[in-house]
Amino acid sequence: DGGITQSPKYLFRKEGQNVTLSCEQNLNHDAMYWYRQDPGQGLRLIYYSQIVNDFQKGDIAEGYSVSREKKESFPLTVTSAQKNPTAFYLCASSIGGGARNEQFFGPGTRLTVL
Amino acid sequence: AQSVSQHNHHVILSEAASLELGCNYSYGGTVNLFWYVQYPGQHLQLLLKYFSGDPLVKGIKGFEAEFIKSKFSFNLRKPSVQWSDTAEYFCAVNAYSGNTPLVFGKGTRLSVIA
Repeated sequence: DGGITQSPKYLFRKEGQNVTLSCEQNLNHDAMYWYRQDPGQGLRLIYYSQIVNDFQKGDIAEGYSVSREKKESFPLTVTSAQKNPTAFYLCASSIGGGARNEQFFGPGTRLTVL
Repeated sequence: AQSVSQHNHHVILSEAASLELGCNYSYGGTVNLFWYVQYPGQHLQLLLKYFSGDPLVKGIKGFEAEFIKSKFSFNLRKPSVQWSDTAEYFCAVNAYSGNTPLVFGKGTRLSVIA
């Protein structure tokens, strides 16, 4: 069953702690993306990667970090420097980074920082 | 840089009513346009897309959208909504070519009541 998995579905952390969100895809897609979704704000791009070992900052990269060591995995670390980390985080992938390629989305992880 | 405006934050319709959700974009060049839908508890999924050619595009579940270049608009329409259309709808845009990522609007929440 091909798709994108994000784990866990809900995550709670104490303020000041780093936390890593998992994103795995078995679609053999080259490009992967991380978005943050807040009520009334739509989706905002955090980081994206068009190929293994390469990634670019999106519009709201401050306080986040990523790695892309494997094609199927694109973990996102929310660091203590992120001022307002409580949000719904969506991972997506596409067959390539080209402009016309449909993005497929995972189920999301809801992070709550206490 | 591109930007997307969705003017309706929340739309409430009765079943069988007609739907039109507005989407306007800001970009100086040629664009690709997308509508994504997020049903309650489900993954974000592609509803329809426009790259070139016939400005009236048809998508899944009876939805269609019309690209009006002179108005920088890509409004989503459905002649008769159903309760199952209750969801959040996102318009997105990127540059026609190259590897630019999608820019999403803030979304419109549609509630269909019986």
